[in-house]
Amino acid sequence: EIVLTQSPGTLSLSPGERATLSCRASQSVSSSYLAWYQQKPGQAPRLLIYGASSRATGIPDRFSGSGSGTDFTLTISRLEPEDFAVYYCQQYGSSPPCTFGQGTKLEIK
Amino acid sequence: QVQLVQSGAEVKKPGSSVKVSCKASGGTFSSYAISWVRQAPGQGLEWMGRIIPILGIANYAQKFQGRVTITADKSTSTAYMELSSLRSEDTAVYYCARGGAQLPRPFDYWGQGTLVTVSS
Repeated sequence: EIVLTQSPGTLSLSPGERATLSCRASQSVSSSYLAWYQQKPGQAPRLLIYGASSRATGIPDRFSGSGSGTDFTLTISRLEPEDFAVYYCQQYGSSPPCTFGQGTKLEIK
Repeated sequence: QVQLVQSGAEVKKPGSSVKVSCKASGGTFSSYAISWVRQAPGQGLEWMGRIIPILGIANYAQKFQGRVTITADKSTSTAYMELSSLRSEDTAVYYCARGGAQLPRPFDYWGQGTLVTVSS
């Protein structure tokens, strides 16, 4: 089973700043089957990025994903107030089982 | 527009079972896999298992083997997740989500979640 480790656990930034979130896999993620999700309190997760770097439908272009192999990054270029949430990475290439990282909480500084 | 609508909140006693439903609309139910993901209070996301309705094949996370059963009714486009031998640690929000069947796909649609509370 591929273990995903996200860092940092909490990221404190201000609106307008750039956010960089990391996801490291315990072994190579096949064909970059790596996704990122955003979750706000009381809501289901929302797909942001799939295939490591493709934006899902309706996702603003301030969200971008990069990386391959075992190291992946989610970047939010200029934080908007609605971006403060918890972010999870997921590998879905070796499903089953798919696995999730433990999450990064992005909070307002 | 694809929608996954789950059944309502449940309160269960330790040792009992719970069955949560997930009804799909707006898409081709049988062409995808439906996964179940749970989230304990204040915790992260945990994949429990999935079913591919067109094949009737279910796969489970090792942690839940023997305790979870995932089924699907193609005639009503509904997937079910039954968890038995409930304990307090099973208190969580349970989500269904649509993913890939024969090819890997991310979870692009999610149900609204069902809170299951296990308490004596």
